[in-house]
Amino acid sequence: QLQLQESGPGLVKPWETLSLTCTVSGGSISRSSSYWGWIRQPPGKGLEWIGTMYYSGTTIYYNPSLKSRVTLSVDTSKSQFSLKLSSVTAADTAVYYCARQLGSGSYGGYFDYWGQGTLVTVSS
Amino acid sequence: QSVLTQPPSASGTPGQRVTISCSGSSSNIGSNTVNWYQQLPGTAPKLLIYTNNQRPSGVPDRFSGSRSGTSASLAISGLQSEDEADYYCAAWDDSLNGWVFGGGTKLTVL
Repeated sequence: QLQLQESGPGLVKPWETLSLTCTVSGGSISRSSSYWGWIRQPPGKGLEWIGTMYYSGTTIYYNPSLKSRVTLSVDTSKSQFSLKLSSVTAADTAVYYCARQLGSGSYGGYFDYWGQGTLVTVSS
Repeated sequence: QSVLTQPPSASGTPGQRVTISCSGSSSNIGSNTVNWYQQLPGTAPKLLIYTNNQRPSGVPDRFSGSRSGTSASLAISGLQSEDEADYYCAAWDDSLNGWVFGGGTKLTVL
């Protein structure tokens, strides 16, 4: 059974960079057709997709509204993928989820495994 | 404002059938498949329906999905108290080149 676990600081100061890592266990991060993504959920609000990358790192998609501040990366040797979000403000306070996307988004993909989520608060 | 439109709330009594709608456009639901996620209180979302109407292993057949044109719907029959949760639709958007979600529907079992 694939398991994903987010890790990183729970508190980030305004205008600094939020950094989270997702560790994948119970399966291969390099499985064909596997994309790895991040989704966030502000307190009491709905889900917002942040970005998705193919396991090889060759293809990356970003939410256009966040693109200028987001960087995704993958380290297959550690079975980890990461999120960096720069210049954060209070509006970036949210529970951040990592998830596996099976298949390309435009070809019937879907998020089938999710991490438990980690709350990141932006505050001085 | 979410790209996909869902009613903010829905309700039903145990045993009833409820449906939740999800409205989009030609660039998302109209050209790509729809997935549904269930989020129980205090937990991570869980894949409920994928590729419009497919159920992952372990999801009861009380849950079903459909898509027509630029809209999709989730139906829950034989409603149970444990179905009380938030439900989100999602689809790939070809114009945005990314995933879009509905705003979520909070289902209450009366």
